[in-house]
Amino acid sequence: QSALTQPASVSGSPGQSITISCTGTSSDVGGYNYVSWYQQHPGKAPKLMIYDVSSRPSGVSNRFSGSKSGNTASLTISGLQAEDEADYYCSSYTTSGTWVFGGGTKLTVL
Amino acid sequence: QLQLQESGPGLVKPSETLSLTCTVSGGSIGSSTYSCGWIRQPPGKGLEWIGTVYSSGSTYYNPSLRSRVTMSVDTSKNQFSLKLTSVTAADTAVYYCARPVLGGTARFDPWGQGTLVTVSS
Repeated sequence: QSALTQPASVSGSPGQSITISCTGTSSDVGGYNYVSWYQQHPGKAPKLMIYDVSSRPSGVSNRFSGSKSGNTASLTISGLQAEDEADYYCSSYTTSGTWVFGGGTKLTVL
Repeated sequence: QLQLQESGPGLVKPSETLSLTCTVSGGSIGSSTYSCGWIRQPPGKGLEWIGTVYSSGSTYYNPSLRSRVTMSVDTSKNQFSLKLTSVTAADTAVYYCARPVLGGTARFDPWGQGTLVTVSS
C-alpha cells in the first residue's frame, strides 16, 4: 500500500486560514469516510484532531475542520495561531482492513 | 481515562528481534473490545502503520512488514506486544502504540508517548 500524498509544507500568517490536502485512492480515502488527522509537535506523540473526515474530538478547537471530495481529503485551520505550528498527518482506514498514513505536512506560522 | 505506555529495549543489534510491550491502564482489555495499533516514525520522517491486533486475536499487518511482524495480546497483564524480526538500521524509529477505534468510525485515540528503538551494533 502506498502512503497518502500530502504537501511537504504549508505556511500562513496569524489569523489566516490554511488548507492541507491528503490524496489517496478509492481503496482508502475514497473508499470510506474514515479519514483522520493528527497534529504532532516536536518530540511529542500525535494528537487526534479530526476523525471520520469532519468530526472533532472533545476539546479540539472548532478552528479545525475537515472535508473530503472523492479521493482527496482536506484539513482546514482557520484563525491561525502560533500554537498551531506543527506537523500534520492524515490517515485512512482501507478497504483491506489496514491503515495508511500520509507523509506529513509541516505547518509554519509566519 | 485510558492510557497506553510503550516499553522495551532502546537498543537492538542488527539481525536480532525487536520486542516491545504496550501496557494499558484505565481499563481492562480482557473485559472489553480493546485493540492495539502499532505505528512507527523514523527520525525526521513520517508515520508508518505497522499493524493492528484486535481483542479477538485477529491481526492485520502492513504488507511491507508482514513477513517480519508478530503482534499478540496478553489479557492477564493488560498488555499488547510487538515483535519485529531481522531488524536493520532502517527499523530505527520511535514506536507508538495507539488504540484503534472502529465500528461506524475509525481513528487512533489515544496514543502512547512512544519509545525510541535504535538498531545498531
